[in-house]
Amino acid sequence: DAKTTQPPSMDCAEGRAANLPCNHSTISGNEYVYWYRQIHSQGPQYIIHGLKNNETNEMASLIITEDRKSSTLILPHATLRDTAVYYCIVRVAGNSGGGADGLTFGKGTHLIIQP
Amino acid sequence: DTAVSQTPKYLVTQMGNDKSIKCEQNLGHDTMYWYKQDSKKFLKIMFSYNNKELIINETVPNRFSPKSPDKAHLNLHINSLELGDSAVYFCASSQAAGGDIQYFGAGTRLSVL
Repeated sequence: DAKTTQPPSMDCAEGRAANLPCNHSTISGNEYVYWYRQIHSQGPQYIIHGLKNNETNEMASLIITEDRKSSTLILPHATLRDTAVYYCIVRVAGNSGGGADGLTFGKGTHLIIQP
Repeated sequence: DTAVSQTPKYLVTQMGNDKSIKCEQNLGHDTMYWYKQDSKKFLKIMFSYNNKELIINETVPNRFSPKSPDKAHLNLHINSLELGDSAVYFCASSQAAGGDIQYFGAGTRLSVL
């Protein structure tokens, strides 16, 4: 079972910042927060991940609370192409996880960008 | 060039047939995966394969078998296809085992009639 809780759907106006929340209250000390998205009829796409510090890349920013029990993915200037299902996943990163385990996807948040 | 490529993109077949889906990655990754996305859009891991170590999700029927001729390929063979096998199957790869960023193919939509 997924260890995260996300709202099933959200709307955001084009050009505005989209803020997607995720609760992961049972996260372990060595687990990272990963975000992936799946645009309709495509495979999942990696967005960003972090452990405890806030992270930013060319796609998005990730804000993790100090207690690490929740996080927010921020798409700073949403476009219509950002309409997708966004998945928040917690897992161990790197070889410390042991074995080649897959990602555990929950139901995600269906983000709809409105023109 | 597509990093993770799957063929075919669509596969329509009759119940009871045997079929294969191919997956190739040109990223030089060590680990490859197969996922299944059912009609309710739930994505679930089926297999992961790393340096000849196969880890199987215990819920996957033994009619499904992954075959890896080399590090860049992980094909999925399905025997005696059933209606419930209809789904979209995604291949993925990652540099290292256990938690590294995974790169996904575009998916293969399998329809069993």
